[in-house]
Amino acid sequence: GQNIDQPTEMTATEGAIVQINCTYQTSGFNGLFWYQQHAGEAPTFLSYNVLDGLEEKGRFSSFLSRSKGYSYLLLKELQMKDSASYLCAVRDGDSNYQLIWGAGTKLIIKP
Amino acid sequence: KAGVTQTPRYLIKTRGQQVTLSCSPISGHRSVSWYQQTPGQGLQFLFEYFSETQRNKGNFPGRFSGRQFSNSRSEMNVSTLELGDSALYLCASSLADTDTQYFGPGTRLTVL
Repeated sequence: GQNIDQPTEMTATEGAIVQINCTYQTSGFNGLFWYQQHAGEAPTFLSYNVLDGLEEKGRFSSFLSRSKGYSYLLLKELQMKDSASYLCAVRDGDSNYQLIWGAGTKLIIKP
Repeated sequence: KAGVTQTPRYLIKTRGQQVTLSCSPISGHRSVSWYQQTPGQGLQFLFEYFSETQRNKGNFPGRFSGRQFSNSRSEMNVSTLELGDSALYLCASSLADTDTQYFGPGTRLTVL
């Protein structure tokens, strides 16, 4: 079956580093996406991984291990504006390339 | 390039009515997906269209339907509205069905 797991909520301090994990089980992996969603707004695309390894984009990095069905999003130098939900999604090549979404991780940044 | 646009942005309906929501994808994008999001919940997949064909469908009742036109614009319709249909309805477009999805601002539907 298809399943994506993320922690429901995490808390971190401004200026610190936080890692948000995502584990997945899909029959036909075809890429993993991370999105950021502020309360009441639409999700915005952060990163895409299809090969193993680390992708870095400024303060945000995303890592993928296909053999372990595991990814993480790393946020450095946290700012108050990083308070948002972070959604992990996997494209399933065995289901017409449908995007399978995790429930999201709500990140709370404290001063 | 203009982003994904959705109309209307806000809508208030009463139980039993029907509603049609519209989505215009980014120019050149041929795939459109629709999602429902209720407060505190993740994205619930409704359906995905590519070149006017429905490629995937989520687990929603038949009251929820959609279509895509030749210019890639898409509409979704909800008939016989229920209180539980109150939600943010999001549309996302991508170049093709395997590409990154970009979201519109959403339509916030309130059913009274």
